[in-house]
Amino acid sequence: NAGVTQTPKFQVLKTGQSMTLQCAQDMNHEYMSWYRQDPGMGLRLIHYSVGAGITDQGEVPNGYNVSRSTTEDFPLRLLSAAPSQTSVYFCASRALGQGSPLHFGNGTRLTVT
Amino acid sequence: ILNVEQSPQSLHVQEGDSTNFTCSFPSSNFYALHWYRWETAKSPEALFVMTLNGDEKKKGRISATLNTKEGYSYLYIKGSQPEDSATYLCAPDTGKLIFGQGTTLQVKP
Repeated sequence: NAGVTQTPKFQVLKTGQSMTLQCAQDMNHEYMSWYRQDPGMGLRLIHYSVGAGITDQGEVPNGYNVSRSTTEDFPLRLLSAAPSQTSVYFCASRALGQGSPLHFGNGTRLTVT
Repeated sequence: ILNVEQSPQSLHVQEGDSTNFTCSFPSSNFYALHWYRWETAKSPEALFVMTLNGDEKKKGRISATLNTKEGYSYLYIKGSQPEDSATYLCAPDTGKLIFGQGTTLQVKP
């Protein structure tokens, strides 16, 4: 069982470039989310989705777009990368019932120069 | 945006010491309280999900309690071991999960 799979593991971008971070889960989880890891601030929620066709903003959505066309996939798009977006990004999913924990992917380390 | 406070921010203890951390959050409109353990260079892993006021969960030497009326949860580690060194995160579930900044525990042998 693969769980939550994130690709790529590492990425270096130049300022202004765009890219998509991929996230896929094979647990049929309705809820998927993206977080970024910032020193001293823990994990901050970027966007989340409670099902196909439904997305919503988290704490720090600016500069990021998401879509949810299938239950399995939840890609995160950086439209015009900025150095402030240098971070480790985690995708996480869970079933929607009360008491269901988040399952995290292994993270994508992004550096914007 | 939900304000989730964790204290202390960091903690250094000796092997064998028992310790506890606090997670504070607004007491209304949440479904559950999550605790996660996050080791360096790894991904966070779920410890507990608590849904009821007065709920207490236990996993080995680690336990947690929840007070929904006053909006706090305690995580306890009995007899800390070096392998307990990690950052411990909490998040109230309001339909989305907003994490506190975490408590980083360092256990010295």
